[in-house]
Amino acid sequence: DAKTTQPNSMESNEEEPVHLPCNHSTISGTDYIHWYRQLPSQGPEYVIHGLTSNVNNRMASLAIAEDRKSSTLILHRATLRDAAVYYCILRTEGNDYKLSFGAGTTVTVRA
Amino acid sequence: DAGITQSPRYKITETGRQVTLMCHQTWSHSYMFWYRQDLGHGLRLIYYSAAADITDKGEVPDGYVVSRSKTENFPLTLESATRSQTSVYFCASRVAGGGELFFGEGSRLTVL
Repeated sequence: DAKTTQPNSMESNEEEPVHLPCNHSTISGTDYIHWYRQLPSQGPEYVIHGLTSNVNNRMASLAIAEDRKSSTLILHRATLRDAAVYYCILRTEGNDYKLSFGAGTTVTVRA
Repeated sequence: DAGITQSPRYKITETGRQVTLMCHQTWSHSYMFWYRQDLGHGLRLIYYSAAADITDKGEVPDGYVVSRSKTENFPLTLESATRSQTSVYFCASRVAGGGELFFGEGSRLTVL
């Protein structure tokens, strides 16, 4: 199964953008890139996902490299509520029960 | 209320006892999942179910039993709890065909 690599932690100031990188050099053509986040003492929640093109939603943007071997989750204006662990996950079409959550990136937001 | 709920939220038990963690969802999602979360391991899939009466093993199924007689419920049973099963357990669900996973709030289990 294709794996992802993320930095252990990142810090940001409130109201500044946050760019969270994810490497997935062994990604296959049918793998979707998903991002989830987990706030303290809560279950993970969906953030965004994409296949090839960049994606935007109300929570974040997902920028996918042309070769798809890396992607970046962008939080445009970090708030204190965005402090969480962010997981970059690959979901294989047709085999998508096997979502593997690694250690993720712990994001700290300074007021 | 609509959504996915887990019970109990907190449970302390002793080694050797049977424990059942409940998971209930109101969306009629086909797929349901059980994960455990331990420090240093992220979330690991225990069991999943594609529909009522269809279940399959995940990454760490040993010591656990599941059933799914109704679409909305997916209980997880530890038949004889061990200390290594002390963890936070998350239930999740989603529609068939992929897409967003919806997680419950978690059940924190301590086995003494």
